[in-house]
Amino acid sequence: QVQLVQSGAEVKKPGASVKVSCKVSGYTFIDYYIHWVRQAPGQGLEWMGWINPNSGGTNYPQKFQGRVTMTRDTSISTAYMELTRLRSDDTAVYYCAREGESGAGYKGYWGQGTLVTVSS
Amino acid sequence: DIVMTQSPDSLAVSLGERATINCKSSQSVLYSSNNKNYLAWYQQKPGQPPKVLIYWASTRDSGVPDRFSGSGSGTDFTLTISSLQAEDVAVYYCQQYYNTPQTFGQGTKVEIK
Repeated sequence: QVQLVQSGAEVKKPGASVKVSCKVSGYTFIDYYIHWVRQAPGQGLEWMGWINPNSGGTNYPQKFQGRVTMTRDTSISTAYMELTRLRSDDTAVYYCAREGESGAGYKGYWGQGTLVTVSS
Repeated sequence: DIVMTQSPDSLAVSLGERATINCKSSQSVLYSSNNKNYLAWYQQKPGQPPKVLIYWASTRDSGVPDRFSGSGSGTDFTLTISSLQAEDVAVYYCQQYYNTPQTFGQGTKVEIK
């Protein structure tokens, strides 16, 4: 069965960086885009971008350009999301998600989430 | 960016009654070349990741009970729970994947009356 397993919770100071991993299993890693979505405490869902695990190509919304980098390691079927210059309002649960169909943008499978807390 | 607006923000429905959630996009999410609406609905329970219920506006995901249905086209969409069960208490989000940045509605909280 399809599984996405994320790395554990992180506590970071303002100005630092965080890198969250998402290890997938149960399907061929390079066949489906991986998206990252975050959710601040008590708030809604915010899309952070996607990575094409086959080519390494990425797409980030303007809000995160220059601060977010999505990468992958195909040898271990793992995607990564790094966010730099952290601020307190980056405190959120970060999810990786796999598209439900290849080439479609709805998220059929989700990781369990990684809480990133930014605090001095 | 396409703005997704859900209504209401919350609703309380008696067990066994119908719940209806609306989602309006600021521009059409219907792709004319394939006649598909790039609209999904998710359910999120506390402490859990979202779970897709409906995609392509009206296709129910595998294993989703048939009391959940999606309808609409273009800019106006509806998620209907035909007979609310206790396990349906959750926040529901619509999402457009027509273009980037992908955007979500603000969420609708469904509770038992």
